[in-house]
Amino acid sequence: TQLLEQSPQFLSIQEGENLTVYCNSSSVFSSLQWYRQEPGEGPVLLVTVVTGGEVKKLKRLTFQFGDARKDSSLHITAAQTGDTGLYLCAGILPPSSGSARQLTFGSGTQLTVLP
Amino acid sequence: KAGVTQTPRYLIKTRGQQVTLSCSPISGHRSVSWYQQTPGQGLQFLFEYFSETQRNKGNFPGRFSGRQFSNSRSEMNVSTLELGDSALYLCASSWSGGPPHEQYFGPGTRLTVT
Repeated sequence: TQLLEQSPQFLSIQEGENLTVYCNSSSVFSSLQWYRQEPGEGPVLLVTVVTGGEVKKLKRLTFQFGDARKDSSLHITAAQTGDTGLYLCAGILPPSSGSARQLTFGSGTQLTVLP
Repeated sequence: KAGVTQTPRYLIKTRGQQVTLSCSPISGHRSVSWYQQTPGQGLQFLFEYFSETQRNKGNFPGRFSGRQFSNSRSEMNVSTLELGDSALYLCASSWSGGPPHEQYFGPGTRLTVT
């Protein structure tokens, strides 16, 4: 069982549509990150959220950290073909967990934006 | 600034062999982490090295090992390869003093075990 569950696993939409990807857990995280990975490349960090309820915007991308720091969402407005890729959330557990220095990744959402 | 580099990019090995993968972090970064990425398990943490010392370790068997050199370059070794070790191996570097775990990933080494 994944500590971080992402949904949907696959998403195929038309250019111009909006979409939301979810990252959920029963565990509390100190912070949560979102990455995008393209074929043949490593993940690229998009954003880090650290405060419960925090909202960050990066152009057409909006990231939200849940109030209880157990979940996060990524919303893309007016998707473009260049947004195609594998979106990964990754959390950092609190120091009390003994795993505070490692990223725990979600299962990923494969997004395809069609022209 | 040059990014994280990994060599080789592709590797084909036979069951039972061993393999060594190399990672050169971004200049100035002292922490190097290794991850295994497979379609079934996703991205899983292997270990992290900081100042030549293993600082954290994931749940992988002892066949997986690593080390870090004084120039922060890191290698990971997998002995007695199994078919299930076929994966994309990613390394990530971070300054380890900035925002929480802001890691920069390399392009990965694609290992195929036959």
